[in-house]
This record gives sequence, C-alpha cells and structure tokens, in this order.
Amino acid sequence: KAGVTQTPRYLIKTRGQQVTLSCSPISGHRSVSWYQQTPGQGLQFLFEYFSETQRNKGNFPGRFSGRQFSNSRSEMNVSTLELGDSALYLCASSPTGPGTEAFFGQGTRLTVV
Amino acid sequence: GDSVTQMEGPVTLSEEAFLTINCTYTATGYPSLFWYVQYPGEGLQLLLKATKADDKGSNKGFEATYRKETTSFHLEKGSVQVSDSAVYFCALSGDSNYQLIWGAGTKLIIKP
Repeated sequence: KAGVTQTPRYLIKTRGQQVTLSCSPISGHRSVSWYQQTPGQGLQFLFEYFSETQRNKGNFPGRFSGRQFSNSRSEMNVSTLELGDSALYLCASSPTGPGTEAFFGQGTRLTVV
Repeated sequence: GDSVTQMEGPVTLSEEAFLTINCTYTATGYPSLFWYVQYPGEGLQLLLKATKADDKGSNKGFEATYRKETTSFHLEKGSVQVSDSAVYFCALSGDSNYQLIWGAGTKLIIKP
C-alpha cells in the first residue's frame, strides 16, 4: 500500500510570492490534516479536511488556506509569503481523523528568502 | 485549551540504558494519547497510542501507560539502542478527533 506522498519535497520562494503544496493520502483515507513544523514553534496544526469539508482550522492567518478534492488529495496554499513561513509542512492521512491514527508524509521543506 | 508538556531535551544515554521521557497533558473530556517518532530527514511515525485510562500502548520495546489521575503518558524503554536516536513527540487528540496537539518534542541521543 502506497504511503502518503507530499510534493514537492523542497521549495525555495521569495517573500511576497505564493506557494501551493500537495498531499496524496493513503488510498481509502478520507481525512487529511496539515501541520507546520519549525524549530521555534514546534508542530502546529493548520487544518483538517474530511470528504472535501474543512472540519477544523488552527490559529493561522488567512494567508494559509487549503482544500480537498473528491479523490481525497489535498492542497494547501500560502499567499504573500513571509520569512517566518519557512518551515517543514507535514501532511497526515487517516481513515476517519487524526485522533485515531495518522500516517505522515515526509513533508515539504519550504524556504522563503 | 488542551496542551501537552514534554521534558526538555536532548536526552543523551548510553546503549542498553533505561529510557524515560516524561509527558503530561491538560485536556477536557477523554483524550486519546500518542507517541510519535521522527527520524532525521523523515516524517512522523506513530510509535504507540492509548485511548482510555489505564491503557498501555507498546511497540518495538517502548511502552507508555495512560494515567488519568496524574494526567501523564510517560514513554519508557528498558534497553535503548543506537537506532532509537530520534526526536520523540507526545500528542493528544481531544473529543473532536479533528486535530493532534503536540508536545515540543524530545531529542534522544544514544551513544554506543
């Protein structure tokens, strides 16, 4: 069974640009959640989707958005990038929600210069 | 709100030593508790979990017991190996099941 796939693995963007990250969950999983990992703030929850509906959102500015498609693949978008957005972005897939068992991708390393 | 507190790292041990990483939580209701591990350059992997009080999660020689009276979920292993070197995260999921709340992570270094 294929695992969670995140693309791209690495990104370098300039301040003010926007970026889209992609996550393909494990086949059959309907929940996708996103987390930001930084050395200073640790792991922080961004949002969670289930069957194309956002069920929960973390405390991030509106520049961070996401969506989920009918095949459960998910994207997150960050607009007007800031230096502080540099982080490892992790996606997790789960059959029903991250509170049961979450399977993580290897992450996308975003560097904003 | 719900929160998780982990002991500060790094924790440095010799091979075959006994390991304890402390984790305490604050939550309303009856959260599920997890330990995840992150090896260098990789994503997170579930190590073990417990969903109700007095449950013991175990995997690969690691154990943790859900203690509601002390709101704790300490990770233990009787004899660590160099290959256990990683960052360990304690996490909880509250009643909604829609997110994981994380501790700060504890870096574990095992010396041969």
